[in-house]
Amino acid sequence: NAGVTQTPKFQVLKTGQSMTLQCAQDMNHNSMYWYRQDPGMGLRLIYYSASEGTTDKGEVPNGYNVSRLNKREFSLRLESAAPSQTSVYFCASSQTEISTDTQYFGPGTRLTVL
Amino acid sequence: AQSVAQPEDQVNVAEGNPLTVKCTYSVSGNPYLFWYVQYPNRGLQFLLKYITGDNLVKGSYGFEAEFNKSQTSFHLKKPSALVSDSALYFCAVRPFGSSGSARQLTFGSGTQLTVLP
Repeated sequence: NAGVTQTPKFQVLKTGQSMTLQCAQDMNHNSMYWYRQDPGMGLRLIYYSASEGTTDKGEVPNGYNVSRLNKREFSLRLESAAPSQTSVYFCASSQTEISTDTQYFGPGTRLTVL
Repeated sequence: AQSVAQPEDQVNVAEGNPLTVKCTYSVSGNPYLFWYVQYPNRGLQFLLKYITGDNLVKGSYGFEAEFNKSQTSFHLKKPSALVSDSALYFCAVRPFGSSGSARQLTFGSGTQLTVLP
């Protein structure tokens, strides 16, 4: 099993450009998450999907949109990229969204916005 | 809202010595606590979690963590450090019983562990 996969691994955008980060999991998990990681700040939740067909905002949702395409796939879209969105983006999944479930992370996408 | 503090940005320890990475938390009600490790240019890997029961939790790669409710701490420990343990370590907390985004995982800022040969 590949676990959680993310594409692309690296991306450079110019301010105002758009892009979609893709995430897929093969663990038959119900819940999926998008985080961003910035130096000295740990990981912060952008959006999550408790189950197929639902999405909810996390701590830092502004400037992002998400789509839960099916049970396996959860994409993150930047409509008009800004330099403040330069970060490393991680997708994660868990069996359910209950607090005791472990989240499993993908390898990350390193995004630079010029 | 919940929060996690990892008071040390950097911890250095000699190979073979015991290591401790500190974590304190703030949450309403009972906490669920997690430790993750991140190797360079990789995603986070799960090490261990405390849900309930025994305060000493054993996890992957010989790591363990002790839950201390009175001190609101969940320090990560290992009896004998290896050079290969060098990585970035994150503590995280989820509260019991909240709803929506308030119930989600909150991470500390991370501690860089360097094990010196």
